Amino acid sequence: NAGVTQTPKFRVLKTGQSMTLLCAQDMNHEYMYWYRQDPGMGLRLIHYSVGEGTTAKGEVPDGYNVSRLKKQNFLLGLESAAPSQTSVYFCASRPWDIHNQPQHFGDGTRLSIL
Amino acid sequence: LAKTTQPISMDSYEGQEVNITCSHNNIATNDYITWYQQFPSQGPRFIIQGYKTKVTNEVASLFIPADRKSSTLSLPRVSLSDTAVYYCLVGAYPNDYKLSFGAGTTVTVRA
Repeated sequence: NAGVTQTPKFRVLKTGQSMTLLCAQDMNHEYMYWYRQDPGMGLRLIHYSVGEGTTAKGEVPDGYNVSRLKKQNFLLGLESAAPSQTSVYFCASRPWDIHNQPQHFGDGTRLSIL
Repeated sequence: LAKTTQPISMDSYEGQEVNITCSHNNIATNDYITWYQQFPSQGPRFIIQGYKTKVTNEVASLFIPADRKSSTLSLPRVSLSDTAVYYCLVGAYPNDYKLSFGAGTTVTVRA
């Protein structure tokens, strides 16, 4: 049981380049999230999804797009990377449940924009 | 969502008990209190969750007073491997997707 898997683990981009980060979960969870974490700071929510085919903006959505074409995958895209997007990106998932099931996190993607 | 306040950092020694208090004065009736742990270069990991009174598992205990305006995470007999950042989150379905991980509390355990 792999849980939440993020690919790639590391990536260096040049300003203006585009790329897609992949998050895959094998727990059949309905909810999926993308966060970014900057040095010495907590996690900030970028986008989230409450089910296949649906996405919504979080706290810091500008410069990012997402897609949830399959229940198990949540993609985060950077159309034109900027140095301000240098960060560690975490994906998380959790089941739909009114009793507040906790989130399960991947180990992150470390992205540097030069 | 309830705003939370927790200490920025705490130092301890191996074998001691560490207690981290989180303040959440405007907690709502349906809100749960959830704690996560994050090691360097890893994603956060769920530790414990509670609604009221005391909850205990194999890793930690969570104490919640009757007014629920604060909560205390207790880590018994810490070891060097407990050095991590600990986050307190307060919220409830259906708005829990808005939960915010603040800066957390950095706990450093020394030999």
